Amino acid sequence: AQSVAQPEDQVNVAEGNPLTVKCTYSVSGNPYLFWYVQYPNRGLQFLLKYITGDNLVKGSYGFEAEFNKSQTSFHLKKPSALVSDSALYFCAVRDPETTSGTYKYIFGTGTRLKVLA
Amino acid sequence: NAGVMQNPRHLVRRRGQEARLRCSPMKGHSHVYWYRQLPEEGLKFMVYLQKENIIDESGMPKERFSAEFPKEGPSILRIQQVVRGDSAAYFCASSEDRGYNSPLHFGNGTRLTVT
Repeated sequence: AQSVAQPEDQVNVAEGNPLTVKCTYSVSGNPYLFWYVQYPNRGLQFLLKYITGDNLVKGSYGFEAEFNKSQTSFHLKKPSALVSDSALYFCAVRDPETTSGTYKYIFGTGTRLKVLA
Repeated sequence: NAGVMQNPRHLVRRRGQEARLRCSPMKGHSHVYWYRQLPEEGLKFMVYLQKENIIDESGMPKERFSAEFPKEGPSILRIQQVVRGDSAAYFCASSEDRGYNSPLHFGNGTRLTVT
């Protein structure tokens, strides 16, 4: 079964410092991986995705993520954190269940990022 | 370019009443997903629909819950005879197609409170 894990419930980082939000996955085939961000009382917003190609993927708001096949990880990174980056971050894997043709997203439990001024 | 619209934003129901949650996907999107989010938890997949078809309802409870996406009009998630455990945020998302390459676009959710 496909799954995704976010081992940290919360990450605290000082403004201006680099940040990393961790994600590991388990899929039977090629992983299709995504990061979303959720601000309070809002829906999720798409940040970036990895389908194929370069292991370093660049996304919105200066975020990037590194795909590591050997470690089955897809960590979210940003070189310099802003207070406005404080939010809930979700990693997701798309389940390419080719037999039924459905492409169900499976989300991690989320990591709350707090950037301290 | 309107995004995914969900209404109402907040819904309060007493135990035993029915809750109807509406979702209008982004223009041009024909694939709709419903997710439930409990406090301090991730999103749980409920159902995936295309126009007039339920594609995958494996995440939806077998009783009291139903969903539809008619040819005309919004997608509806219906919860009959609500119980306190149904209190949660319900998010709708849409995508352009069913391909693995399409990110989901989310609405701002409906927060259901059952008293």
